[in-house]
Amino acid sequence: QKEVEQDPGPLSVPEGAIVSLNCTYSNSAFQYFMWYRQYSRKGPELLMYTYSSGNKEDGRFTAQVDKSSKYISLFIRDSQPSDSATYLCASLLSGGYNKLIFGAGTRLAVHP
Amino acid sequence: ETGVTQSPTHLIKTRGQQVTLRCSSQSGHNTVSWYQQALGQGPQFIFQYYREEENGRGNFPPRFSGLQFPNYSSELNVNALELDDSALYLCASSLAKQGAEQYFGPGTRLTVT
Repeated sequence: QKEVEQDPGPLSVPEGAIVSLNCTYSNSAFQYFMWYRQYSRKGPELLMYTYSSGNKEDGRFTAQVDKSSKYISLFIRDSQPSDSATYLCASLLSGGYNKLIFGAGTRLAVHP
Repeated sequence: ETGVTQSPTHLIKTRGQQVTLRCSSQSGHNTVSWYQQALGQGPQFIFQYYREEENGRGNFPPRFSGLQFPNYSSELNVNALELDDSALYLCASSLAKQGAEQYFGPGTRLTVT
């Protein structure tokens, strides 16, 4: 079992839709949960992260973590064609060093 | 503020050769981590450098090695290249070795033939 599981999609939605992206994780030691956006042939861009359980909102994006079910979500409101990208969830394993453990990424296409 | 930069952008090598990839960390960041991203997969952690020393390593063989310099820039070296080493190599910098926020460069796409 992979430590972070993510449905690769692809997910195709019309412009303006609410998008829900999800991941599950297996390691209870994870404390930070990150979402990265990666455009084709580019490096991942940090969108937002949360510490432990709870919600965090940034503009049209909301990240949610439920540690009891080991479930991570990212919601995108009023989706735009420019949101079309691969979305990577990651958990941070802390210790003497910080190591990001990524899901496989979900490819999102928002069509006009 | 300068972001993370990597060079070269693309590279084609032959199996058995050696390669060196370079990374300049974001201004003020003293920690660099390297990741390998195969096509259609999420990045996988190779190792992390903090103050010129390796302080964490993933499941990669010793032929993957690195360096960090006093200005916090870094190199990834891969010896005896194999076909499976073909991937996007990403470096990420952070403010401290335990910094949660890691900022990625654009990557170097390596093709091994």
